This record gives sequence, C-alpha cells and structure tokens, in this order.
Amino acid sequence: DAGVTQSPTHLIKTRGQQVTLRCSPKSGHDTVSWYQQALGQGPQFIFQYYEEEERQRGNFPDRFSGHQFPNYSSELNVNALLLGDSALYLCASSLAAGTGSYEQYFGPGTRLTVT
Amino acid sequence: AQSVAQPEDQVNVAEGNPLTVKCTYSVSGNPYLFWYVQYPNRGLQFLLKYITGDNLVKGSYGFEAEFNKSQTSFHLKKPSALVSDSALYFCAVRDKSIKAAGNKLTFGGGTRVLVKP
Repeated sequence: DAGVTQSPTHLIKTRGQQVTLRCSPKSGHDTVSWYQQALGQGPQFIFQYYEEEERQRGNFPDRFSGHQFPNYSSELNVNALLLGDSALYLCASSLAAGTGSYEQYFGPGTRLTVT
Repeated sequence: AQSVAQPEDQVNVAEGNPLTVKCTYSVSGNPYLFWYVQYPNRGLQFLLKYITGDNLVKGSYGFEAEFNKSQTSFHLKKPSALVSDSALYFCAVRDKSIKAAGNKLTFGGGTRVLVKP
C-alpha cells in the first residue's frame, strides 16, 4: 500500500519564477491538504482539496493556487516566487471530514529554494 | 481561531529515562489532538491521536499522551526513551466542529528531543 508521494524532492528556482509541486495521496484517501514548513517552524496550512474543489484556505496570498484531479492527486502552484517562499512543502492526505477518520498522512515533502 | 503552544524548544533526556513533551491548545469548541514526529529531511509521521473517550491514549513506538481538558493540555510521554527517539515532535489540533474547520490541522512550533546514550 503506497503512502503519500510527492515530486520533485528538491527544487531550486529564481525570484519571480513559477513552480508546480505534485502529490499523490495514500490509497483510498480522497482529500489532499498542503502545508508550508519554513525552517525551524511548524507546518502552516495552505489549503485543502476535496472533490476537485478548494474547500478551505489558510492565510496565504493568491499567488498560491492548487488543483485536484479526478484520481485525487493534487498540484500546488506558486507564482511570482519570493525569497520567503523557500520552505519544505508538505502534502497530506486523509478521508473527508465527517467520515469518522481523523488523522492526516504526510508525504516526504518538496524542498523549495528560491534564490 | 485555534492555536497550539509547545513551550520547550528542546528537551534533553538520558536514554532509559522518562520523556515528556509538553503541549497546550486553544480551540473554540472541543478538540481533536494529534502528535507527529519528524526525522531530518523527512515528512511528518503520525504517532497518536485523541478523539474522545479515555484521556490516556497510546500510540506508536511506546508513546502515549494524556488529554487534560481543564488544563487544555495534551502532553506526550514515553516511559523509557531511546536514542532513536531523537527527532522533532509536533503537536496539532483540529476543531471538532466540522463546519468551522474541516480537517485543517494547526501545528505548534515543534520541540526537538535529544536522547543521550
């Protein structure tokens, strides 16, 4: 049973560029959440996708956008990259709220460096 | 709004001694509480959760946590620490009100645990 997978593992971009990160959820899961973890800090919630729609959003600017595909995989897009966007981006999968399942399972993350 | 505080940036403990990592939370309603562990250059690994019922919950690798509603705390414990327990530990909360918060997790800042031989 494959867990949550993310690609790429590492990425180096220049300020102003755009980046796309990808996530495949754990088998059987239908909800994908994205988190940003800056160095030395706890993960911060970016947004959550369920049924191909953004269901919840954290305090992140519109430069951060996403998508969920019919097979439940997801993409995180960041436009006009800033130095402060450098972080570990974590994808987590789960079953939808209200199903009786509670924990989220995290992928290994994508380390984004903006220079 | 929901929040989590982990008051200790680092906890040092000798191998074989008890380990405690502290966590307090704030939510508008009742909480779901979680502990995760992160090893270097890795994602977060689920350890245990409190949903309802018994205040003492047991999880993976010998860890347990005690939910204390009056003190709004959810401290992580292990009776006998191992060197391999050295890692970064995160406490997280989710508001039980589904409409209010879906299943968004709010994390604390993390506590680094160092277990010395």
